[in-house]
Amino acid sequence: EVQLLESGGGLVQPGGSLRLSCAASGFSFTSYDMTWFRQAPEKGLEWVSTISDGGSTNYADSVRGRFTISRDNSKNTLYLQMNSLRVDDTAVYYCAKGQSAILWGQGTLVTVSS
Amino acid sequence: DVVMTQSPLSLPVTLGQPASISCRSSQSLVYSDGNTFLHWFQQRPGQSPRRLIYRVSNRDSGVPDRFSGSGSGTNFTLKISRVEAEDVGVYYCMQNTYWPLTFGGGTKVEIK
Repeated sequence: EVQLLESGGGLVQPGGSLRLSCAASGFSFTSYDMTWFRQAPEKGLEWVSTISDGGSTNYADSVRGRFTISRDNSKNTLYLQMNSLRVDDTAVYYCAKGQSAILWGQGTLVTVSS
Repeated sequence: DVVMTQSPLSLPVTLGQPASISCRSSQSLVYSDGNTFLHWFQQRPGQSPRRLIYRVSNRDSGVPDRFSGSGSGTNFTLKISRVEAEDVGVYYCMQNTYWPLTFGGGTKVEIK
Protein backbone atom coordinates (compact mmCIF):
# COMPACT_ATOMS: atom_id res chain seq x y z
CA GLU A 1 0.00 0.00 0.00
CA VAL A 2 1.24 3.46 -0.90
CA GLN A 3 1.41 5.55 2.23
CA LEU A 4 3.16 8.31 4.13
CA LEU A 5 3.40 8.28 7.91
CA GLU A 6 4.50 11.40 9.78
CA SER A 7 5.83 11.45 13.33
CA GLY A 8 7.71 13.73 15.68
CA GLY A 9 5.14 16.38 16.47
CA GLY A 10 4.43 17.63 19.95
CA LEU A 11 4.44 20.56 22.33
CA VAL A 12 7.53 22.78 22.34
CA GLN A 13 8.34 26.17 23.85
CA PRO A 14 9.04 29.19 21.66
CA GLY A 15 12.65 29.10 20.55
CA GLY A 16 12.77 25.31 20.77
CA SER A 17 13.40 22.64 18.16
CA LEU A 18 11.68 19.58 16.77
CA ARG A 19 12.44 17.10 14.02
CA LEU A 20 9.59 15.67 12.02
CA SER A 21 9.89 12.41 10.10
CA CYS A 22 7.84 11.00 7.25
CA ALA A 23 8.17 7.31 6.44
CA ALA A 24 7.24 6.46 2.88
CA SER A 25 6.21 3.04 1.61
CA GLY A 26 4.68 1.44 -1.44
CA PHE A 27 6.40 3.55 -4.07
CA SER A 28 9.86 4.37 -5.38
CA PHE A 29 10.80 7.07 -2.86
CA THR A 30 14.04 7.97 -4.63
CA SER A 31 12.16 8.89 -7.81
CA TYR A 32 10.03 11.64 -6.30
CA ASP A 33 10.37 15.16 -4.98
CA MET A 34 8.91 15.33 -1.49
CA THR A 35 7.14 18.24 0.14
CA TRP A 36 6.09 19.50 3.57
CA PHE A 37 2.90 21.50 3.97
CA ARG A 38 1.24 22.82 7.09
CA GLN A 39 -2.18 23.92 8.25
CA ALA A 40 -2.63 26.21 11.24
CA PRO A 41 -5.75 25.61 13.38
CA GLU A 42 -8.90 26.49 11.41
CA LYS A 43 -6.79 27.92 8.58
CA GLY A 44 -5.93 26.99 5.02
CA LEU A 45 -3.04 25.04 3.55
CA GLU A 46 0.47 26.47 3.35
CA TRP A 47 3.52 25.17 1.55
CA VAL A 48 6.62 24.86 3.75
CA SER A 49 9.43 23.19 1.81
CA THR A 50 10.28 20.82 -1.05
CA ILE A 51 13.28 18.60 -1.68
CA SER A 52 13.88 17.25 -5.15
CA ASP A 53 14.78 13.67 -5.95
CA GLY A 54 18.31 14.96 -6.44
CA GLY A 55 18.42 16.80 -3.12
CA SER A 56 17.79 20.40 -4.18
CA THR A 57 15.74 22.33 -1.66
CA ASN A 58 13.25 25.19 -1.60
CA TYR A 59 11.69 26.95 1.38
CA ALA A 60 8.88 29.34 2.15
CA ASP A 61 10.16 32.74 3.27
CA SER A 62 8.47 32.23 6.64
CA VAL A 63 10.71 29.26 7.50
CA ARG A 64 13.90 29.84 5.51
CA GLY A 65 16.92 29.87 7.80
CA ARG A 66 15.03 28.12 10.61
CA PHE A 67 13.80 24.88 8.99
CA THR A 68 15.85 22.30 7.09
CA ILE A 69 14.36 19.63 4.85
CA SER A 70 16.33 16.46 4.16
CA ARG A 71 15.82 12.92 3.02
CA ASP A 72 17.43 9.53 3.68
CA ASN A 73 16.82 7.45 0.58
CA SER A 74 18.22 4.33 2.26
CA LYS A 75 15.44 4.58 4.82
CA ASN A 76 12.69 5.95 2.53
CA THR A 77 12.28 8.77 5.02
CA LEU A 78 11.77 12.51 4.72
CA TYR A 79 12.69 14.90 7.53
CA LEU A 80 11.97 18.44 8.62
CA GLN A 81 14.31 19.91 11.22
CA MET A 82 12.59 22.88 12.81
CA ASN A 83 14.65 25.31 14.91
CA SER A 84 13.85 28.65 16.55
CA LEU A 85 10.19 27.72 16.61
CA ARG A 86 7.64 30.49 16.98
CA VAL A 87 4.04 30.51 18.18
CA ASP A 88 2.86 31.03 14.61
CA ASP A 89 4.52 27.75 13.54
CA THR A 90 1.74 25.94 15.40
CA ALA A 91 0.05 23.72 12.82
CA VAL A 92 -0.58 20.24 11.56
CA TYR A 93 2.38 19.36 9.36
CA TYR A 94 1.80 17.10 6.39
CA CYS A 95 4.33 15.42 4.16
CA ALA A 96 3.34 14.81 0.56
CA LYS A 97 4.58 12.88 -2.44
CA GLY A 98 5.76 15.13 -5.20
CA GLN A 99 5.58 18.89 -5.67
CA SER A 100 1.96 18.55 -6.70
CA ALA A 101 1.07 16.52 -3.60
CA ILE A 102 -0.12 13.35 -5.27
CA LEU A 103 -0.47 11.73 -1.84
CA TRP A 104 -0.63 13.17 1.69
CA GLY A 105 0.19 11.71 5.06
CA GLN A 106 -2.16 11.86 8.03
CA GLY A 107 -0.31 14.82 9.54
CA THR A 108 1.45 15.48 12.83
CA LEU A 109 0.52 18.33 15.18
CA VAL A 110 3.17 20.79 16.27
CA THR A 111 2.18 23.15 19.09
CA VAL A 112 4.51 26.00 20.00
CA SER A 113 3.49 27.50 23.30
CA SER A 114 4.92 28.57 26.62
CA ASP B 1 4.41 35.45 -5.10
CA VAL B 2 1.49 34.18 -7.20
CA VAL B 3 -1.75 34.98 -5.42
CA MET B 4 -4.52 32.42 -5.81
CA THR B 5 -8.04 33.74 -5.29
CA GLN B 6 -10.92 31.34 -4.86
CA SER B 7 -14.63 32.07 -4.92
CA PRO B 8 -17.02 31.66 -3.37
CA LEU B 9 -15.79 31.30 0.19
CA SER B 10 -18.81 29.16 1.06
CA LEU B 11 -21.02 27.13 -1.27
CA PRO B 12 -24.28 25.68 0.06
CA VAL B 13 -25.56 23.11 -2.43
CA THR B 14 -28.64 20.91 -2.66
CA LEU B 15 -27.89 17.19 -2.99
CA GLY B 16 -27.90 16.16 -6.63
CA GLN B 17 -27.36 19.70 -7.88
CA PRO B 18 -24.21 20.99 -9.59
CA ALA B 19 -21.52 23.09 -7.92
CA SER B 20 -18.79 25.25 -9.36
CA ILE B 21 -15.69 26.76 -7.72
CA SER B 22 -13.53 29.43 -9.31
CA CYS B 23 -9.79 29.88 -8.86
CA ARG B 24 -7.91 32.82 -10.32
CA SER B 25 -4.16 33.39 -10.28
CA SER B 26 -2.38 36.74 -10.26
CA GLN B 27 -0.30 35.67 -13.26
CA SER B 28 -0.43 33.04 -15.96
CA LEU B 29 0.31 29.52 -14.69
CA VAL B 30 1.61 28.29 -18.04
CA TYR B 31 5.15 26.99 -17.55
CA SER B 32 7.87 27.34 -20.17
CA ASP B 33 7.27 23.73 -21.27
CA GLY B 34 3.63 24.46 -22.02
CA ASN B 35 2.22 22.68 -18.98
CA THR B 36 -0.06 24.44 -16.51
CA PHE B 37 0.61 23.32 -12.95
CA LEU B 38 -2.75 24.03 -11.35
CA HIS B 39 -4.24 21.36 -9.11
CA TRP B 40 -7.36 20.87 -6.98
CA PHE B 41 -7.59 19.29 -3.55
CA GLN B 42 -10.45 18.15 -1.35
CA GLN B 43 -10.24 18.17 2.44
CA ARG B 44 -13.12 16.41 4.13
CA PRO B 45 -13.81 17.28 7.78
CA GLY B 46 -11.15 15.81 10.05
CA GLN B 47 -9.15 14.34 7.17
CA SER B 48 -5.94 15.07 5.31
CA PRO B 49 -6.21 16.76 1.94
CA ARG B 50 -6.56 14.59 -1.15
CA ARG B 51 -5.65 15.58 -4.68
CA LEU B 52 -8.60 15.38 -7.06
CA ILE B 53 -7.40 17.05 -10.24
CA TYR B 54 -3.87 17.67 -11.52
CA ARG B 55 -2.67 19.98 -14.27
CA VAL B 56 -6.04 21.68 -14.69
CA SER B 57 -8.19 18.84 -15.94
CA ASN B 58 -6.75 15.40 -15.16
CA ARG B 59 -8.67 13.35 -12.60
CA ASP B 60 -6.62 11.39 -10.10
CA SER B 61 -7.15 7.64 -9.77
CA GLY B 62 -10.31 6.81 -7.85
CA VAL B 63 -11.85 10.26 -8.20
CA PRO B 64 -15.49 10.06 -9.32
CA ASP B 65 -16.18 11.38 -12.79
CA ARG B 66 -18.66 13.90 -11.39
CA PHE B 67 -15.58 16.01 -10.62
CA SER B 68 -14.05 17.94 -13.51
CA GLY B 69 -11.53 20.71 -13.91
CA SER B 70 -11.13 23.27 -16.65
CA GLY B 71 -9.53 26.57 -17.45
CA SER B 72 -6.38 28.14 -18.76
CA GLY B 73 -3.93 30.93 -18.12
CA THR B 74 -5.21 32.62 -14.97
CA ASN B 75 -8.79 31.34 -14.70
CA PHE B 76 -9.71 27.87 -13.54
CA THR B 77 -12.85 26.05 -12.44
CA LEU B 78 -13.66 22.92 -10.49
CA LYS B 79 -17.12 21.52 -11.16
CA ILE B 80 -19.12 18.85 -9.39
CA SER B 81 -21.89 17.69 -11.71
CA ARG B 82 -24.16 16.32 -8.96
CA VAL B 83 -23.18 16.92 -5.37
CA GLU B 84 -23.29 13.96 -3.02
CA ALA B 85 -23.13 13.97 0.78
CA GLU B 86 -19.53 12.71 0.75
CA ASP B 87 -18.45 15.83 -1.19
CA VAL B 88 -18.83 18.03 1.89
CA GLY B 89 -15.54 19.67 2.81
CA VAL B 90 -13.12 22.41 1.80
CA TYR B 91 -11.69 22.58 -1.70
CA TYR B 92 -8.38 24.24 -2.52
CA CYS B 93 -6.59 25.11 -5.71
CA MET B 94 -2.80 25.15 -5.72
CA GLN B 95 -0.15 26.19 -8.23
CA ASN B 96 3.37 24.84 -8.52
CA THR B 97 4.39 26.59 -11.70
CA TYR B 98 6.34 29.10 -9.62
CA TRP B 99 8.14 29.11 -6.28
CA PRO B 100 6.76 29.54 -3.70
CA LEU B 101 3.93 27.07 -4.17
CA THR B 102 0.69 28.82 -3.28
CA PHE B 103 -2.86 27.82 -2.42
CA GLY B 104 -6.19 29.49 -2.76
CA GLY B 105 -7.95 30.34 0.46
CA GLY B 106 -10.39 27.45 0.17
CA THR B 107 -14.09 27.01 -0.62
CA LYS B 108 -16.30 25.28 1.90
CA VAL B 109 -18.93 23.08 0.28
CA GLU B 110 -21.89 22.23 2.47
CA ILE B 111 -25.30 20.71 1.96
CA LYS B 112 -28.32 23.00 2.15
